Amino acid sequence: DAGVIQSPRHEVTEMGQEVTLRCKPISGHNSLFWYRQTMMRGLELLIYFNNNVPIDDSGMPEDRFSAKMPNASFSTLKIQPSEPRDSAVYFCASSFGGVETQYFGPGTRLLVL
Amino acid sequence: GESVGLHLPTLSVQEGDNSIINCAYSNSASDYFIWYKQESGKGPQFIIDIRSNMDKRQGQRVTVLLNKTVKHLSLQIAATQPGDSAVYFCAEIPNNNDMRFGAGTRLTVKP
Repeated sequence: DAGVIQSPRHEVTEMGQEVTLRCKPISGHNSLFWYRQTMMRGLELLIYFNNNVPIDDSGMPEDRFSAKMPNASFSTLKIQPSEPRDSAVYFCASSFGGVETQYFGPGTRLLVL
Repeated sequence: GESVGLHLPTLSVQEGDNSIINCAYSNSASDYFIWYKQESGKGPQFIIDIRSNMDKRQGQRVTVLLNKTVKHLSLQIAATQPGDSAVYFCAEIPNNNDMRFGAGTRLTVKP
């Protein structure tokens, strides 16, 4: 298995632009998690899906952030409009079940200028 | 951008020595704990876990100790190798999927 796949690996954009991060979970996994990692705040859970349905989005910073999971093999995290404080590494993870057995992707390093 | 960030505790050890990394957790109701290893440019990787009904669990070269009285978790790495250099952080889970991560400790192994 290729593991969790994220794209792009790096993204540089200007403030105000829309950013879309993509994730392909491990085949057969039914839970998907989006995290943000910064030096200031460490690793934070943004949202997680179970069977393609958002279960807990309490970690989503504000309305500028949205996440979708249209099918079991694809999810997006969108930031519109982006701001410099959104600069971080965004990780996607998937599991069969809960957080206990999640596997992380390599992350997308986002820089908003 | 951010000019002031979280300064990670660091631990520097000699190759072959044992390493001990500590973590204090916050929620006395947490009943499951995980240690992750994160290498530069990669996502966190599961190392070992422990449930609150245990106080020690061993894996291959790694041991996790749990002290619920003082809400403390430690990771011991035996015969530390250069490939062990990474950031290590603990995670506590009080409810299913309500995971909280520690800040992390940067381990550097000197050859």
